[in-house]
Amino acid sequence: EDQVTQSPEALRLQEGESSSLNCSYTVSGLRGLFWYRQDPGKGPEFLFTLYSAGEEKEKERLKATLTKKESFLHITAPKPEDSATYLCAVVLRHSGGYQKVTFGIGTKLQVIP
Amino acid sequence: DAGVIQSPRHEVTEMGQEVTLRCKPISGHDYLFWYRQTMMRGLELLIYFNNNVPIDDSGMPEDRFSAKMPNASFSTLKIQPSEPRDSAVYFCASRPSDISSGNTIYFGEGSWLTVV
Repeated sequence: EDQVTQSPEALRLQEGESSSLNCSYTVSGLRGLFWYRQDPGKGPEFLFTLYSAGEEKEKERLKATLTKKESFLHITAPKPEDSATYLCAVVLRHSGGYQKVTFGIGTKLQVIP
Repeated sequence: DAGVIQSPRHEVTEMGQEVTLRCKPISGHDYLFWYRQTMMRGLELLIYFNNNVPIDDSGMPEDRFSAKMPNASFSTLKIQPSEPRDSAVYFCASRPSDISSGNTIYFGEGSWLTVV
């Protein structure tokens, strides 16, 4: 069975304290991996797509990396406005040539001033 | 573009009542997804459509749930009869098939359902 596991479930950082969030997966037919940010009361907002092992993407204080079994979202010198839940999702090859997208449960990040 | 539009944003209903959630995907997107989000289980895929055709409904919890997509610009998720354990946030999302767009999925703001 395809599985997506995110860790930790919650993370509390001081402003400026860099850290990483993990998304590990055991799936077949991976077609890509997404990272999303979700603020309370809102829908998930797209951050990055990664397609192949070794690929990296950056946006402001965030950097996403991908290996064959996991992805990391590195947060450098976070600010309070980075507080949110971060979700990863895998795009899987599905029967009939379609693509199914499955999400992890998320990491709730709190950055304290 | 207005993005994915969902209605209602909030609904409180009594157990046993029928609930209908509505979604207008982004124009030109041929995939449409319905997800349910809870604290315990996160975002669960309920069903997805491609070109208005249901492709995979294996995530629909039981026969009380049904979804339709009569045309490219409208989809409904219906729960009949509703139960308290159906209380959750229901998200509709859409994306284009065109790989050059990055396969990005765009989410609506969600429908917050409370069944009492």
